[in-house]
Amino acid sequence: EAGVTQSPTHLIKTRGQQATLRCSPISGHTSVYWYQQALGLGLQFLLWYDEGEERNRGNFPPRFSGRQFPNYSSELNVNALELEDSALYLCASSSPEGLAVNTGELFFGEGSRLTVL
Amino acid sequence: AQSVAQPEDQVNVAEGNPLTVKCTYSVSGNPYLFWYVQYPNRGLQFLLKYITGDNLVKGSYGFEAEFNKSQTSFHLKKPSALVSDSALYFCAVRGPYGGATNKLIFGTGTLLAVQP
Repeated sequence: EAGVTQSPTHLIKTRGQQATLRCSPISGHTSVYWYQQALGLGLQFLLWYDEGEERNRGNFPPRFSGRQFPNYSSELNVNALELEDSALYLCASSSPEGLAVNTGELFFGEGSRLTVL
Repeated sequence: AQSVAQPEDQVNVAEGNPLTVKCTYSVSGNPYLFWYVQYPNRGLQFLLKYITGDNLVKGSYGFEAEFNKSQTSFHLKKPSALVSDSALYFCAVRGPYGGATNKLIFGTGTLLAVQP
């Protein structure tokens, strides 16, 4: 069974540009989560999508946005890039709520490393 | 609001010795607690979880964790450390299902360094 896949693996942008990161969840998973892992700041929750809708959002400015497609894949967009947006962006998925198979853990991809110059 | 604390930025241990990585949590209601490991330039790998039941939880790679409700702790342990255990370890907590609490909140991570 394929795990969570993220693309691109690495992305280099300059200040003011836009970045788009993509994530495909594990088959059968309907929830997708995005986390930012910046150096020295641990894992910060960005966004949670479930069944195509944004369910929750972390403490990030509006230039961080995303969406979830009908096939449950997801896209994270970062507009007007700033130097401090340089980080590893991790996507995770989980199975639908309420199902016995959902015991709470998230399954992570390998991440997309964004570098802003 | 739910939160988790990992008081140690780094833990050093000699190979073959027991290791403990500490975690304390704060959450309303019964906690769901998790440990993840991250190797350099990789994503997070799930190690173990506590949802309910036995306070001692066994997980992958010989790791275990003990849930202590009175001390609100969920320390990660291993009887005999390996050099290959050297990695970044994250503790995470989530509240009960539903609504805005349906996400994992991570600690800041503890770097485990096992010396040969």
